[in-house]
Amino acid sequence: KQEVTQIPAALSVPEGENLVLNCSFTDSAIYNLQWFRQDPGKGLTSLLLIQSSQREQTSGRLNASLDKSSGRSTLYIAASQPGDSATYLCAVPQTGANNLFFGTGTRLTVIP
Amino acid sequence: EAQVTQNPRYLITVTGKKLTVTCSQNMNHEYMSWYRQDPGLGLRQIYYSMNVEVTDKGDVPEGYKVSRKEKRNFPLILESPSPNQTSLYFCASNRAGYIQYFGAGTRLSVL
Repeated sequence: KQEVTQIPAALSVPEGENLVLNCSFTDSAIYNLQWFRQDPGKGLTSLLLIQSSQREQTSGRLNASLDKSSGRSTLYIAASQPGDSATYLCAVPQTGANNLFFGTGTRLTVIP
Repeated sequence: EAQVTQNPRYLITVTGKKLTVTCSQNMNHEYMSWYRQDPGLGLRQIYYSMNVEVTDKGDVPEGYKVSRKEKRNFPLILESPSPNQTSLYFCASNRAGYIQYFGAGTRLSVL
């Protein structure tokens, strides 16, 4: 069974810093990986989806990389802002199904 | 606007009283899913559906039922709720291989 781990569980940085969030997964037979953002009391918003054939994906100040062979993904956030404060989750699907396995997330606080 | 709509947003009920949480999407997605989110355990999938009349169990299906009679709707049914089903529930939809869109969540308390 796929297991997804996110480190660190919480991170606090001053505004303007660049930062990296980490995600690791045990079964490398994935066809994509998604990064989500969750604000307190709210639903999840998809940030980036990387197909297994891609090594990275960019959206604005966000860059996600994927290394299938080592079972790792990183989410890089450039020039962090207080509005980036949220919990960030990564998720991978079970092969052949629509069952997403989620990490427990990294809670990010960006201090003004 | 692309949306996944869940109702109700908040629900307090008592043990054993059947309830249904509705979920509707307006994007004509084939796939729909239900998740529960618990502190320390993260999000876990309850059931998913790959199309009308096609459903399958996720990681934690015990105590739940689903149906997919129409493409846009995917209700979650708790026939006899118990306190251990107190949780935050999310519905999601997607096209195969593409990003999942999530509803705003339903916070359920079973007393």
